[in-house]
Amino acid sequence: SQTIHQWPATLVQPVGSPLSLECTVEGTSNPNLYWYRQAAGRGLQLLFYSVGIGQISSEVPQNLSASRPQDRQFILSSKKLLLSDSGFYLCAWSVATDTQYFGPGTRLTVL
Amino acid sequence: QKEVEQDPGPLSVPEGAIVSLNCTYSNSAFQYFMWYRQYSRKGPELLMYTYSSGNKEDGRFTAQVDKSSKYISLFIRDSQPSDSATYLCAPLAGGTSYGKLTFGQGTILTVHP
Repeated sequence: SQTIHQWPATLVQPVGSPLSLECTVEGTSNPNLYWYRQAAGRGLQLLFYSVGIGQISSEVPQNLSASRPQDRQFILSSKKLLLSDSGFYLCAWSVATDTQYFGPGTRLTVL
Repeated sequence: QKEVEQDPGPLSVPEGAIVSLNCTYSNSAFQYFMWYRQYSRKGPELLMYTYSSGNKEDGRFTAQVDKSSKYISLFIRDSQPSDSATYLCAPLAGGTSYGKLTFGQGTILTVHP
């Protein structure tokens, strides 16, 4: 069966510090991978998606970037965090255009 | 106008009640309709998945899609305290190389004993 992991689960970072969140998927090959952000009381906003290694598409311009160095690994990064980057970050995977399955999330607080 | 509109609630019902959760959408390209359940501080989990108009039943849950009126519903029968969560509707458009889900804001449901 497929499993998706995210770490860390919780992170508190000062403004201006770098960020690296990691997501890995097990039990499937060549998945589509997604990064979402969920602000308090808000729906999920798609940040990035990837249909293959090294292929990243951005949905919204922002202070963040994503990379996919391996087939089942997806990384969300920032060089300098802003207060507005606080939120709940969710990684998801799908097979092609089929439904998406979400990881447990990383709660990021930028102070 | 948002592509997907969902009443954020909160909705509070007694145990055993029938719950109706609803979304409206504006994009005619939506072909697949998901409902996700999200417990506090957890990732969303897929609850129901329907294609095009019609009903789909899974235990106490029924998903209903009316494409003519662009209206999506999720019904929960015999609601339980364990159903207390945020429910997110998420239509998906066809014709893309990836699954572009568009999420509603989510409805917060509390089922009290």
